[in-house]
Amino acid sequence: AQSVSQHNHHVILSEAASLELGCNYSYGGTVNLFWYVQYPGQHLQLLLKYFSGDPLVKGIKGFEAEFIKSKFSFNLRKPSVQWSDTAEYFCAVTSGGSYIPTFGRGTSLIVHP
Amino acid sequence: DGGITQSPKYLFRKEGQNVTLSCEQNLNHDAMYWYRQDPGQGLRLIYYSQIVNDFQKGDIAEGYSVSREKKESFPLTVTSAQKNPTAFYLCASSPSGMNTEAFFGQGTRLTVV
Repeated sequence: AQSVSQHNHHVILSEAASLELGCNYSYGGTVNLFWYVQYPGQHLQLLLKYFSGDPLVKGIKGFEAEFIKSKFSFNLRKPSVQWSDTAEYFCAVTSGGSYIPTFGRGTSLIVHP
Repeated sequence: DGGITQSPKYLFRKEGQNVTLSCEQNLNHDAMYWYRQDPGQGLRLIYYSQIVNDFQKGDIAEGYSVSREKKESFPLTVTSAQKNPTAFYLCASSPSGMNTEAFFGQGTRLTVV
């Protein structure tokens, strides 16, 4: 069964700091990869996704992620965070012919103004 | 406006009572899902349905039941057999097939006292 690991459970940054959140998955075949964000009191929404092609994916609000197949990783990055980026971030994967997403445990990001 | 509607947003029930959470979508998606979100545990799949009148157990189906009588609706019943029902429940839907993404409702926070 597919599993997804997010190594950083809680991250605290100051505004303008750079962000990198780790995500690794276990399945070795074809995968689709996602990062979702959950702002306080809001529903889960898609930040970015990778299906195929350029492994560097750009999403909304200045976020990007890089798919490194050899490392089974899909890390999320943002060069300069803002207070409004405070949220919970989830990595998710679909694989093996299944389109049902498997989620990681999430990373809680707090950005201090 | 297309989307997924979960109701109610907050729900309180006494221990031993069954409770049904509503999920409706007008996105014309074939697949619908129920996830449970607990702090530090990410999203865990309870049940999913890929087509009307068919549904499958997810990773943590014990103590839950679902129905899919209409394409638009996928209600979840939390039964008295669920040992720890207090949680945040998220409904999602997606088109069937690969290279698709899931869309989420706002969630229902269930508290059992």
